[in-house]
Amino acid sequence: GAGVSQTPSNKVTEKGKYVELRCDPISGHTALYWYRQSLGQGPEFLIYFQGTGAADDSGLPNDRFFAVRPEGSVSTLKIQRTERGDSAMYLCASSPTGGGGDTQYFGPGTRLTVL
Amino acid sequence: GEDVEQSLFLSVREGDSSVINCTYTDSSSTYLYWYKQEPGAGLQLLTYIFSNMDMKQDQRLTVLLNKKDKHLSLRIADTQTGDSAIYFCAASGGPGAKLIFGQGTELSVKP
Repeated sequence: GAGVSQTPSNKVTEKGKYVELRCDPISGHTALYWYRQSLGQGPEFLIYFQGTGAADDSGLPNDRFFAVRPEGSVSTLKIQRTERGDSAMYLCASSPTGGGGDTQYFGPGTRLTVL
Repeated sequence: GEDVEQSLFLSVREGDSSVINCTYTDSSSTYLYWYKQEPGAGLQLLTYIFSNMDMKQDQRLTVLLNKKDKHLSLRIADTQTGDSAIYFCAASGGPGAKLIFGQGTELSVKP
């Protein structure tokens, strides 16, 4: 079946602009995660959704970052007033239930470049 | 919080075994994972081990876990050039828990 998809694959924006990154999880997966990966680093957790609700948003770096999942499927990561330091690969993952040992399946990512 | 560390580079000859090491700090980490990332591709789960296990084998991959030392290793037997990639170790505390990743080990396989 289809895996996790993310759009766009690349996004270039100017400092101060607003961006939205979209994630389509595997159908039926209730758990959805966002991570951010800077060059040469491992992914860092941003936020975890269980269904429609954000169960853990402890990784969001500041209030410019916000994510929604209104119908418990597609999720959008929103970044306001982008800064050059926001440039990174943004990864989305989904898992069947979010239970212990559940495999997180990752999408190909959106590479965000802030000029 | 949890911290996961890996060596940054490993170079081996084709046909040799590769051993990638990882240490973690949180003894309550319940699940430990190995992911592979190839250029331009997403993270691919290779294998995982539950904290009550010492070893797990899956074809060419062997995972060893030393809970006392909080040390995890991934052994790839008969390493091939197609195994060249970045390998990430990740730890999770349990249900719904986020993955905490190491910085990745770049494996280079020379023919």
